[in-house]
Amino acid sequence: QKEVEQDPGPLSVPEGAIVSLNCTYSNSAFQYFMWYRQYSRKGPELLMYTYSSGNKEDGRFTAQVDKSSKYISLFIRDSQPSDSATYLCAPRGGSQGNLIFGKGTKLSVKP
Amino acid sequence: EAGVTQFPSHSVIEKGQTVTLRCDPISGHDNLYWYRRVMGKEIKFLLHFVKESKQDESGMPNNRFLAERTGGTYSTLKVQPAELEDSGVYFCASSATWGGSPLHFGNGTRLTVT
Repeated sequence: QKEVEQDPGPLSVPEGAIVSLNCTYSNSAFQYFMWYRQYSRKGPELLMYTYSSGNKEDGRFTAQVDKSSKYISLFIRDSQPSDSATYLCAPRGGSQGNLIFGKGTKLSVKP
Repeated sequence: EAGVTQFPSHSVIEKGQTVTLRCDPISGHDNLYWYRRVMGKEIKFLLHFVKESKQDESGMPNNRFLAERTGGTYSTLKVQPAELEDSGVYFCASSATWGGSPLHFGNGTRLTVT
């Protein structure tokens, strides 16, 4: 079993839709949870950063972590064509510096 | 604030040759990481520096890879001799602290070994 599972998509939605992106993980030691957005030929760009379970909101983006079910979600409201990118979930253990990445979900928002 | 900078952005070399990748972290970030993405796979951890010391190099694939961070500033990753399976995108990231702060990534070096 992989440490982080993420549906690679691709996922295509119309502009203005609510997007739900999800990951599951297996290591209960993970305490920090990050979402990165990656545009083509660019590096991962930090989008959301949460600690332990709960919700965090930043503009149109909401990150949710449910440690009891080892489930991570990212919601994008009022999606825009500029949101078209690959979204990577990356949990991290508290005692380690390294992130464990999912494969990424490719999102396309159509105007 | 300048971000993480990587050089070169793209490198094409022949099998058996040597390539050196460079990473300049965000100023003041003591923690520097190298990651790699090979075709169709997840981004994988290679190693982690705290200042000039290697904190964790458990992800380094073999002894053809040598990472250095002299003086605790920029870092280099040398591949010698390069093999076909070394092709991929090499990302560098930095963070201010070890466990509690997020990692900021550069745009990567795309390495092609022919």
